[in-house]
Amino acid sequence: DAKTTQPNSMESNEEEPVHLPCNHSTISGTDYIHWYRQLPSQGPEYVIHGLTSNVNNRMASLAIAEDRKSSTLILHRATLRDAAVYYCILRDMGQTGANNLFFGTGTRLTVIP
Amino acid sequence: ETGVTQTPRHLVMGMTNKKSLKCEQHLGHNAMYWYKQSAKKPLELMFVYNFKEQTENNSVPSRFSPECPNSSHLFLHLHTLQPEDSALYLCASSQGDFTGELFFGEGSRLTVL
Repeated sequence: DAKTTQPNSMESNEEEPVHLPCNHSTISGTDYIHWYRQLPSQGPEYVIHGLTSNVNNRMASLAIAEDRKSSTLILHRATLRDAAVYYCILRDMGQTGANNLFFGTGTRLTVIP
Repeated sequence: ETGVTQTPRHLVMGMTNKKSLKCEQHLGHNAMYWYKQSAKKPLELMFVYNFKEQTENNSVPSRFSPECPNSSHLFLHLHTLQPEDSALYLCASSQGDFTGELFFGEGSRLTVL
C-alpha cells in the first residue's frame, strides 16, 4: 500500500474548525483514502473514507484534491472529545478479501478549551 | 454489549508462561484482525482471518499463534514471549470487503516480565 505523510501534531481551539492534512503523492488510481482516530486508552475508530469525491458524514468531512495526491479531514467544530491521534491510510481497492489497513504514526490533535 | 470484546484487558506473564488472548465480535462480520501497538510505535498488523481462513501473517514470530475457530472468535496464543513483546494487542473485525470499516476492541494490555 502507498505511503502517507501527516504532521506529527496539531492544536485547535475548542469549537473552531480543524483541518488535518495528509499527503499521499504516490497514491494509485485504485487506492481508497481512509481516516481513523484513536482516543486515549481506546482502540482506533473509523471516521470516514473516500475515493475521488469529497465525502461528508456525521463525524467529519473529507476533502480530496483533484489530483488525489493529498486530502484533508475536516472537523467542523472541534470539541474536547475530538482530542485523539488521527490516522490517514490508503487501501488498494484492487486487493480482494479483508480490509488490511496499515497504520502510520498519525497526527496527534490537541484541543484547547 | 459492545461490538468487539477483548479479554483479558490486562495480562502480566513471565517469559516461560503460556497464555491466550481472546476476542469476540457480535457484529456478524467475516474478517478478524490482530494488531500490536507498542509504545511510541505505529499500530502493526499481525494477522488477518477472512471467513476463518488466515489471509495475512505479517512476519510475526512463531511465539504468537493465532486461532480462529469461527467468524465470531479469534484467539492469540502466547508462549515463551520476550519483554519487548509487551504492548497493547488490539483485535478488530470487518465485513471482509476492502471498504468495510474496521471495528476495534479496547485491547489487551500485555506485560512480559
